[in-house]
Amino acid sequence: KQEVTQIPAALSVPEGENLVLNCSFTDSAIYNLQWFRQDPGKGLTSLLLIQSSQREQTSGRLNASLDKSSGRSTLYIAASQPGDSATYLCAVAPAGAGSYQLTFGKGTKLSVIP
Amino acid sequence: DVKVTQSSRYLVKRTGEKVFLECVQDMDHENMFWYRQDPGLGLRLIYFSYDVKMKEKGDIPEGYSVSREKKERFSLILESASTNQTSMYLCASSINRGRGYTFGSGTRLTVV
Repeated sequence: KQEVTQIPAALSVPEGENLVLNCSFTDSAIYNLQWFRQDPGKGLTSLLLIQSSQREQTSGRLNASLDKSSGRSTLYIAASQPGDSATYLCAVAPAGAGSYQLTFGKGTKLSVIP
Repeated sequence: DVKVTQSSRYLVKRTGEKVFLECVQDMDHENMFWYRQDPGLGLRLIYFSYDVKMKEKGDIPEGYSVSREKKERFSLILESASTNQTSMYLCASSINRGRGYTFGSGTRLTVV
């Protein structure tokens, strides 16, 4: 059964710092990996979707990489801002036929200190 | 952009009540999902549906049922609410796994 781990569970950084969030998964047979952001008490907002054939995706100050063979993805946030404070979750979709269910990590809670 | 709308942001219900949580998506997605999210446990899949009138159990279906009479609407039903069903409930939809998931804004349910 796929397991997704995000370490650390919480991270606090000063404003302006570049940072990396980590996501690891146990089964490399994935279709894609999706990074989400969740603000307190809110739903999940999709940030980046990386297909299994891709190495990275970029959106503004965000860059996500994928190393399927090693079971790892990273989310790089450049020049962090207080508005980036949120919980970041990664989720993987399996490569098996017919199954659409995502497996989620438990998230990294990011605090960016002004 | 796809929009997934959950009808209530906050709900307070009494133990034993029948509770309906509604989710509507506006992009003709075939796949819809209900999750609950609890501190320390993360997101857990309750039920999902690949098509109208079709449903599949997720990891924690006990105490829940679902209804999908129309493609755009997926309802989660708590037949007899209990305090251990107090949680954040999240609905999601997807056209296919290659396009990823879109989530609604969540319903915070409190059962007293």
